[in-house]
Amino acid sequence: NAGVTQTPKFQVLKTGQSMTLQCAQDMNHEYMSWYRQDPGMGLRLIHYSVGAGITDQGEVPNGYNVSRSTTEDFPLRLLSAAPSQTSVYFCASSSPAGGVIGYTFGSGTRLTVV
Amino acid sequence: AQTVTQSQPEMSVQEAETVTLSCTYDTSENNYYLFWYKQPPSRQMILVIRQEAYKQQNATENRFSVNFQKAAKSFSLKISDSQLGDTAMYFCAFMIGGTSYGKLTFGQGTILTVHP
Repeated sequence: NAGVTQTPKFQVLKTGQSMTLQCAQDMNHEYMSWYRQDPGMGLRLIHYSVGAGITDQGEVPNGYNVSRSTTEDFPLRLLSAAPSQTSVYFCASSSPAGGVIGYTFGSGTRLTVV
Repeated sequence: AQTVTQSQPEMSVQEAETVTLSCTYDTSENNYYLFWYKQPPSRQMILVIRQEAYKQQNATENRFSVNFQKAAKSFSLKISDSQLGDTAMYFCAFMIGGTSYGKLTFGQGTILTVHP
């Protein structure tokens, strides 16, 4: 199993550009989430999904958009990149079935907005 | 809203010694889960240990154990026989169970350095 796969691993954007961070998991997990990691602030939840067609906002959703058309994929869209969105982004998946196992994380995307 | 606080930005320990990382949380919920994640320089988030709030017994995974004090809302991580490979950022995280399952709240992290 590949687990949670994020692409790209690194990206540099200009202010105002748009892009999509890709996330795919092959564990048939219902729950998927996007987090951003900034120094001194830990990881903060951007958006999450409890299944295909269902998404909800997290703590810091402004400037980001998500959709979940399949169980496997949960892309994160930056509509108009801003320097404040410079961060490391993590996608994660989980399933409550069979007991709580915590989230499995992708390897992250380091995004720089100039 | 739930909050998680890690009051130690940095810790260091000698190889083979024991170190304890602190974590406190605030919640009014009764059904919840607590986790410790390790993030080495590779950036990968690795689950170290988890604790269900309804379980009184402290969780243990090999050299890693927790001291879960529910009334005090404290969840510390003890690493025994520290190894160089334990050098990493450690995050404490909280998750509500039941219908709110799925939202992880993280602390600010503690950088642990293991010295030879």
